[in-house]
Amino acid sequence: NAGVTQTPKFQVLKTGQSMTLQCAQDMNHEYMSWYRQDPGMGLRLIHYSVGAGITDQGEVPNGYNVSRSTTEDFPLRLLSAAPSQTSVYFCASSYSPGGPGETQYFGPGTRLLVL
Amino acid sequence: DAKTTQPTSMDCAEGRAANLPCNHSTISGNEYVYWYRQIHSQGPQYIIHGLKNNETNEMASLIITEDRKSSTLILPHATLRDTAVYYCIVRMDSSYKLIFGSGTRLLVRP
Repeated sequence: NAGVTQTPKFQVLKTGQSMTLQCAQDMNHEYMSWYRQDPGMGLRLIHYSVGAGITDQGEVPNGYNVSRSTTEDFPLRLLSAAPSQTSVYFCASSYSPGGPGETQYFGPGTRLLVL
Repeated sequence: DAKTTQPTSMDCAEGRAANLPCNHSTISGNEYVYWYRQIHSQGPQYIIHGLKNNETNEMASLIITEDRKSSTLILPHATLRDTAVYYCIVRMDSSYKLIFGSGTRLLVRP
């Protein structure tokens, strides 16, 4: 299993550009989520999905869109990039949405710089 | 989900035990304590979790006080590769959200 994969590893955007961060998992996990991590900070939840066709907002959803058309993929779209969205983005997945002991597996991250 | 309080940073000598404390005084009965770590900006990695009993796995031990208001993660023989930021997270058993704080930056010295 490749686990959770993210592409690209690094991206530079200009203010106002749009882009899609890709996330895929091959573990047949129902739950997937996106976090952002700003320098020196912990991770903050952007959006999450408890299954194909179901998404919801996390703590910091503004400026981002998601969709979940398949179990494997959970892309994150930046509609109009702003310098405040400069961050490291992590995708995570777990077998089920909740339950004791349910652990989440994280991808390697995408580093985004918005100029 | 209950909030947690952790020291900003700690250090320990290689080969010695690293004891990382976490306060979660507002924890409720159905909330679990989870520990994750993040090595050098990689994605966070699950370490261990517990409800009220002490837990041990191949990576670490988790000691939860009887009143469940605090816990300690123990790395029994720290190595240089254990240098990382350690996050203590309290989560309800029915919740899928992980709320990360700032964590504890552990430096393992040679």
